[in-house]
Amino acid sequence: EDQVTQSPEALRLQEGESSSLNCSYTVSGLRGLFWYRQDPGKGPEFLFTLYSAGEEKEKERLKATLTKKESFLHITAPKPEDSATYLCAVQDNKLSFGAGTTVTVRA
Amino acid sequence: DGGITQSPKYLFRKEGQNVTLSCEQNLNHDAMYWYRQDPGQGLRLIYYSQIVNDFQKGDIAEGYSVSREKKESFPLTVTSAQKNPTAFYLCASSIDGHGRGTNEKLFFGSGTQLSVL
Repeated sequence: EDQVTQSPEALRLQEGESSSLNCSYTVSGLRGLFWYRQDPGKGPEFLFTLYSAGEEKEKERLKATLTKKESFLHITAPKPEDSATYLCAVQDNKLSFGAGTTVTVRA
Repeated sequence: DGGITQSPKYLFRKEGQNVTLSCEQNLNHDAMYWYRQDPGQGLRLIYYSQIVNDFQKGDIAEGYSVSREKKESFPLTVTSAQKNPTAFYLCASSIDGHGRGTNEKLFFGSGTQLSVL
């Protein structure tokens, strides 16, 4: 059965303290890995799609990378507005979501 | 602005009652989806529709029903058969494909929080 595991469940950072979130997956044939950002009480918002190992995508302070078994979302010098839950989703013949990592950035 | 509108934001269901969650999109997307989000769990697919007048069960369809009479609308009914309906419900759309085998990004609405009285 396909599995998507995100770690840690929660991450508390000081403003400017860089860190990484992990998304590990076991699927039969990866067709795409997605990162979404979700604010409290809102729907997820698309961030990145990665398709093959070695691929990287960047957007402002966020950088997503992909290997054959996991993806990392690096947050560089985070600001309080980066506080959110970050969801990872993996697509083979269906789309499977992880439970998310809730990031809190303190000023 | 184009997007997905879900209503109501909050909904309360009494025992034995059916309730309907609304989802409307003006993105001209062919595919629409309903997901359920529970604390500590990943999003789970309830139903999806690739085209008008056609829809498919997802992983947790029992106790739910949908219709797709118009391209823009995909309402979800939570029936009395769903014994644990309390959750955050998310509607989503994608340009085409069915989300089961197409690696497309999803556009989400703002969700409906359903609670049981």
